[in-house]
Amino acid sequence: DAGVIQSPRHEVTEMGQEVTLRCKPISGHDYLFWYRQTMMRGLELLIYFNNNVPIDDSGMPEDRFSAKMPNASFSTLKIQPSEPRDSAVYFCASSQIPGQPNTEAFFGQGTRLTVV
Amino acid sequence: GENVEQHPSTLSVQEGDSAVIKCTYSDSASNYFPWYKQELGKRPQLIIDIRSNVGEKKDQRIAVTLNKTAKHFSLHITETQPEDSAVYFCAASPMDSNYQLIWGAGTKLIIKP
Repeated sequence: DAGVIQSPRHEVTEMGQEVTLRCKPISGHDYLFWYRQTMMRGLELLIYFNNNVPIDDSGMPEDRFSAKMPNASFSTLKIQPSEPRDSAVYFCASSQIPGQPNTEAFFGQGTRLTVV
Repeated sequence: GENVEQHPSTLSVQEGDSAVIKCTYSDSASNYFPWYKQELGKRPQLIIDIRSNVGEKKDQRIAVTLNKTAKHFSLHITETQPEDSAVYFCAASPMDSNYQLIWGAGTKLIIKP
């Protein structure tokens, strides 16, 4: 397996534009997580899915953020409209049963988003 | 809810010396404590984890200790090497969190040659 695949790796966009980040989890993993990483706030869990169903979206900062998982092999995180303060590295991660032995969370390489 | 504090924020050690990073947590129901390593510009990767029914776990040069009474756990790296330079994150998972890893703020470890 190629691991968790995210696209794009880098995204530069103008304030007000819509941004869509994409993630392909590892096959067989039932859980998918979206994280945001900044120097100021560290690693923040935005939302996670179990079997394609959103379980906890309490970390989503505001209504401008939305996430979907239409099937087991694909998820998107959308920001509309984007703002400069959204600039960060966004990670997608997947795992089997979290917190259980031998079920670590595997991270994708991240999308570095810059909103100018 | 759970809160995880991690210290120090930056740690600089001489190559070959040991490094210790400490985390404290607030929720006594937390039962899973992983450590992730993130090299510059790369993704976080699990290096070791420990569950609440174990006091210590080792894997070659790295070890993690857990003190449930004091609610703290530590990462120990012995015989440090240049490739150990990275940011290390601890995390805790409360049993009743319906899974949510609560992350520490990270420690930047610098290995001086």
